[in-house]
Amino acid sequence: QKEVEQDPGPLSVPEGAIVSLNCTYSNSAFQYFMWYRQYSRKGPELLMYTYSSGNKEDGRFTAQVDKSSKYISLFIRDSQPSDSATYLCAMQYGNKLVFGAGTILRVKS
Amino acid sequence: GAGVSQSPSNKVTEKGKDVELRCDPISGHTALYWYRQSLGQGLEFLIYFQGNSAPDKSGLPSDRFSAERTGGSVSTLTIQRTQQEDSAVYLCASNLDGGSYEQYFGPGTRLTVT
Repeated sequence: QKEVEQDPGPLSVPEGAIVSLNCTYSNSAFQYFMWYRQYSRKGPELLMYTYSSGNKEDGRFTAQVDKSSKYISLFIRDSQPSDSATYLCAMQYGNKLVFGAGTILRVKS
Repeated sequence: GAGVSQSPSNKVTEKGKDVELRCDPISGHTALYWYRQSLGQGLEFLIYFQGNSAPDKSGLPSDRFSAERTGGSVSTLTIQRTQQEDSAVYLCASNLDGGSYEQYFGPGTRLTVT
């Protein structure tokens, strides 16, 4: 069993839809919880991070962490075609990041 | 400012050959990381450098893989006697110090072993 599980998709939604991306994890020692976005043929870039359980909002994006359930989510409101990318959840463990497999998101105009 | 750069961007090699992949981190970043991303898989941690030393090599999959970093800057990942299962995108990342959660990634080197 992988330490971080993430549905690879692909997830296809119409423009303007609300998108929900999720990850579960097994290691309670994980500290920071992050979402990275990766466009095709590019390296991942940090989108959002959280430390504690609860919600964190940044524009159209909301990150949610539930440490008791070992479950994290990323919500995208009013999705745009430019949001089409692979979204990777990541968790800090010591000096390294442990990543989920990534979810491919396609937003159709 | 300049981000993390990697070279080459693509590398095709024959099974059994050795390859070297290069990473230039962001200037001033003391921590450097190598990851591997295979098709349908997430990023898999390979090795972490703090300065020129590598306190965590736990992700290197076999002794065919090695890495070094010189002058606290450029790093080279070497794969000896390449195998087809080594085909993947190799990503390098850096940050100011190893304690920071945010890592800045380069575009990766796409390695294909034929």
